[in-house]
Amino acid sequence: AQSVTQLDSQVPVFEEAPVELRCNYSSSVSVYLFWYVQYPNQGLQLLLKYLSGSTLVKGINGFEAEFNKSQTSFHLRKPSVHISDTAEYFCAVWSGSSNTGKLIFGQGTTLQVKP
Amino acid sequence: NAGVTQTPKFQVLKTGQSMTLQCAQDMNHEYMSWYRQDPGMGLRLIHYSVGAGITDQGEVPNGYNVSRSTTEDFPLRLLSAAPSQTSVYFCASSYLDSTNSPLHFGNGTRLTVT
Repeated sequence: AQSVTQLDSQVPVFEEAPVELRCNYSSSVSVYLFWYVQYPNQGLQLLLKYLSGSTLVKGINGFEAEFNKSQTSFHLRKPSVHISDTAEYFCAVWSGSSNTGKLIFGQGTTLQVKP
Repeated sequence: NAGVTQTPKFQVLKTGQSMTLQCAQDMNHEYMSWYRQDPGMGLRLIHYSVGAGITDQGEVPNGYNVSRSTTEDFPLRLLSAAPSQTSVYFCASSYLDSTNSPLHFGNGTRLTVT
C-alpha cells in the first residue's frame, strides 16, 4: 500500500523567510501526490497536486512543490512566508485506481510563522 | 452552495452509547469518505464510498459502520462508543476521478467519549 512520511512535526520560521516542508513517499510505478492545508478549526483544502508531467508544481498562495522520483520526495516550499501561512500542512498520496482508490495522508507538519 | 455539511459540530458520549455522525454534500459528488484526525497521526481513512450502495473499508474501520443509500448522504455510525474513538472526524467528497477532482472537506465533528 502507498504511504507518505512527513519528516518534521513542527517547523517554526520567521515572517518573510523561506520554508521547506518535507515529504517522502513509498516507491511505486506511478504515484499521485498532494499537499493540503488546514487552518485552525477548519477542514482541509488543496494546495497543489502532482499527477504527471513537470516535476515542479505550483499551487495556491505562492506555494510550490518538486516531485523527485530518485529520492521519492515531494517537498513543499515557499520563498517568503506570511503570518497567515500559519497552519497544519498534510502531504498525501493516492492509493489505487483513480476511480476506486483512496487518499492516504501523512502525519502533518505544523508551520508556525513568527513575526 | 453549502458544500460538505457535517452535523453535529460537537458531541460528548458515554462509553457504550451509539450515535450517527451526519455528512451531506450538494455537489453531486460520487466519492465520499470519512477520516479521523488525531494529534501526531494525521488523518486516517475510516470508510469510503464510490457511489450509492457501494462502500469500502479504509485504514481504521473497526468500530464504525457506514452506508450510502443516496448520492448526497454518507452517515458514519458508532455502535458502541469507546474512549479510543475520541477524535475529530472529517467527511470529504469529490467527483469520481479523485486524482483530478480535489477532495472537499467539511468543517469536522469533534467527538469526546468519556
